[in-house]
Amino acid sequence: EPEVTQTPSHQVTQMGQEVILRCVPISNHLYFYWYRQILGQKVEFLVSFYNNEISEKSEIFDDQFSVERPDGSNFTLKIRSTKLEDSAMYFCASSAELAGGLDTQYFGPGTRLTVL
Amino acid sequence: AQSVSQHNHHVILSEAASLELGCNYSYGGTVNLFWYVQYPGQHLQLLLKYFSGDPLVKGIKGFEAEFIKSKFSFNLRKPSVQWSDTAEYFCAVIFTGGGNKLTFGTGTQLKVEL
Repeated sequence: EPEVTQTPSHQVTQMGQEVILRCVPISNHLYFYWYRQILGQKVEFLVSFYNNEISEKSEIFDDQFSVERPDGSNFTLKIRSTKLEDSAMYFCASSAELAGGLDTQYFGPGTRLTVL
Repeated sequence: AQSVSQHNHHVILSEAASLELGCNYSYGGTVNLFWYVQYPGQHLQLLLKYFSGDPLVKGIKGFEAEFIKSKFSFNLRKPSVQWSDTAEYFCAVIFTGGGNKLTFGTGTQLKVEL
């Protein structure tokens, strides 16, 4: 069964550094998402992406964040200047498009980001 | 603001006990409803979903959920749990008219004891 994959599984960085989290969505999916979960808190939506542009973003997704689909398979989340509060598990998800609406979102295993 | 509530944060059951996990949402419009499960060390997996039709939805591994529109609820049930059901369970909702983002509940940690 096809899966969403994410790399790295763990990333430790210093405050102020840039990080890029990578995701390979399921190959025939057209919609891509990033979510995050700060330890002990809810899974929160960050951004959705379709047809090479952001379709929706949350208040969390400020100018420090960006997303890109640099080639036909990868989908990346960049945090320009990390803050301590960016420490979280980041999940990538993808979904297909069905007539009349969207399909289920399938999640990757997550990248645990620790900002020191 | 639209929100999702899961009232049971930690549940401990013995094998063969019945399970019901509560999920409520705050929104009077059309919703798409999901239950995801995260087994230890694994990623979020879909257990079941409701988009329309029969409000009693059957999912994988013997789980089912019932959408009760009048109560804004989508509770998850299983008649007889197994040790392998130990996991964290997340209710999630897509509020139509609000894009396609999932809004998650806080999750319920289920531990099944032998």
